[in-house]
Amino acid sequence: SQTIHQWPATLVQPVGSPLSLECTVEGTSNPNLYWYRQAAGRGLQLLFYSVGIGQISSEVPQNLSASRPQDRQFILSSKKLLLSDSGFYLCAWSLLQLNEKLFFGSGTQLSVL
Amino acid sequence: DQQVKQNSPSLSVQEGRISILNCDYTNSMFDYFLWYKKYPAEGPTFLISISSIKDKNEDGRFTVFLNKSAKHLSLHIVPSQPGDSAVYFCAASWKGGSEKLVFGKGTKLTVNP
Repeated sequence: SQTIHQWPATLVQPVGSPLSLECTVEGTSNPNLYWYRQAAGRGLQLLFYSVGIGQISSEVPQNLSASRPQDRQFILSSKKLLLSDSGFYLCAWSLLQLNEKLFFGSGTQLSVL
Repeated sequence: DQQVKQNSPSLSVQEGRISILNCDYTNSMFDYFLWYKKYPAEGPTFLISISSIKDKNEDGRFTVFLNKSAKHLSLHIVPSQPGDSAVYFCAASWKGGSEKLVFGKGTKLTVNP
């Protein structure tokens, strides 16, 4: 069966520090991969999605970037965190067409202080 | 511009009664709708979906109704159980467009024993 791993579960970082969140999927090949953020009172916002290695699409302008160095690995990064980057970050995967029934990881609660 | 709207941020019902969660959308191109359930500090999990060619889909205690003319869908939970207490997200997508899932802001359901 397919599983998705996301870490760390919680992270407290000072403003201006770098960020690296990692997500890996097991049990499937060539998944579509996604990074979402849930900010307080704002629902789930799609940040990035990827349909293959090295292929990244950004949905909103922001202080973050994403990379997909391997088929089942998706990384969310920032060179310098802002206070507004705080939130609950979710990695997700799907097969078939884009966004058909997403499967989410357990999330990372990021607090930028 | 919010294309998927969940106008009730919270809902409280008694155990054993029916829970009705509502969702409205503005984009007439949407042809696939999903409901996700999310517990605190966890990733959302897929609950039930419906294609635009149907007006009802049932899975155990969960039923989703779609009214295309009104651009409205609802999730019915009967009977409601305390374990159903969670945040419920409505999501929509369409083929041929950007094919990205668009989420509502969520409704927090509390089922009281």
